[in-house]
Amino acid sequence: RKEVEQDPGPFNVPEGATVAFNCTYSNSASQSFFWYRQDCRKEPKLLMSVYSSGNEDGRFTAQLNRASQYISLLIRDSKLSDSATYLCAVNSPSGGSYIPTFGRGTSLIVHP
Amino acid sequence: DAGVTQSPTHLIKTRGQQVTLRCSPKSGHDTVSWYQQALGQGPQFIFQYYEEEERQRGNFPDRFSGHQYPNYSSELNVNALLLGDSALYLCASTLRVTGVSGNTIYFGEGSWLTVV
Repeated sequence: RKEVEQDPGPFNVPEGATVAFNCTYSNSASQSFFWYRQDCRKEPKLLMSVYSSGNEDGRFTAQLNRASQYISLLIRDSKLSDSATYLCAVNSPSGGSYIPTFGRGTSLIVHP
Repeated sequence: DAGVTQSPTHLIKTRGQQVTLRCSPKSGHDTVSWYQQALGQGPQFIFQYYEEEERQRGNFPDRFSGHQYPNYSSELNVNALLLGDSALYLCASTLRVTGVSGNTIYFGEGSWLTVV
């Protein structure tokens, strides 16, 4: 089983739709969690951190479920500009440090 | 405030050759990690450098090696290139704080390597 798993999609949604992605992780000792956005042929950019209490940034909401070992990202009122690949990252302990492990990403296509 | 910078942005090499990629971390950061991202995949951790030493290593062969300089900049070297080494190589920097798990990493724009 991979350490971090995501459904690669693509998720094809119309403008204005609400879409949600999940990301599961296998290491129960994982401590911190992030969502990154990656545009085609560009580097990943931090979208938001994921806190135990859940957090919201405008149209984006991230949640963590430690019991079931997954994080989620909800995008409301999708815009064409939201089309991208969304990567989840999980910081897991390794030799006294924490190394981010990434999922393969979920592709989102928002169409008119 | 300069972000993470990488060079070169694109390069083409032939099988068997060697390549060196370079990275300067974000100002104030002291830790550099390298990732390999093949098409359609997420970034795969290669190794991490802190205080000029390799601290952690992912599942990559010894053909992949690196270095960190006193100014925190870093190099990734790949020897005996294979076709399968074609990928986007990402450098990421962070500030290492002992015992803290939530330090965010910031990526450079990456170096696109094509091996022919």
